[in-house]
Amino acid sequence: AQSVTQLGSHVSVSEGALVLLRCNYSSSVPPYLFWYVQYPNQGLQLLLKYTSAATLVKGINGFEAEFKKSETSFHLTKPSAHMSDAAEYFCAVSRATNAGKSTFGDGTTLTVKP
Amino acid sequence: DAGVIQSPRHEVTEMGQEVTLRCKPISGHNSLFWYRQTMMRGLELLIYFNNNVPIDDSGMPEDRFSAKMPNASFSTLKIQPSEPRDSAVYFCASSQSSYNSPLHFGNGTRLTVT
Repeated sequence: AQSVTQLGSHVSVSEGALVLLRCNYSSSVPPYLFWYVQYPNQGLQLLLKYTSAATLVKGINGFEAEFKKSETSFHLTKPSAHMSDAAEYFCAVSRATNAGKSTFGDGTTLTVKP
Repeated sequence: DAGVIQSPRHEVTEMGQEVTLRCKPISGHNSLFWYRQTMMRGLELLIYFNNNVPIDDSGMPEDRFSAKMPNASFSTLKIQPSEPRDSAVYFCASSQSSYNSPLHFGNGTRLTVT
């Protein structure tokens, strides 16, 4: 079985501040992890993915995430928030035996204050 | 790459009517997923297909829901009869059927059942 827990359904930061969105996973086999972003009235878009090649993964729009096996975490960070980062963010996990079926977290809504 | 195309973008119907949602996946992708998103339950996987064959329909809420994929470039999700509690945004997503392939989402169909 696999699952994802996103800590904090809402995160608010000031423009220019560090963004940290938390994701912990549970998987009985090595996981493949993804972060997606959803802007209003749109579908989810891939931000980045971890597939065991490197523990620090860089994605689009200046985001990155670090896979920490000992902590079963895959937190998403961005050094400096921009107003355009305001959106909902989803962490997802899949595994080799699932042929592409991903399990999504509940999502974290990021608000960026001017 | 035109992306995943869903139609209609918005659908308003009365309780008891039949609703058909349509999806065209990205060419070359052989996995297709239908999700439902609501405020209360978040993102739920309804059903997914691999090579046009339904693999897991355990997320389909009840017999009123049915999905088909007659060929690699088209899928439908049908609700008959529709009920107000079916109101949600329905997303179609496609991917290459590999555990480390991300999902590509359409922009969704916002369904309102009155």
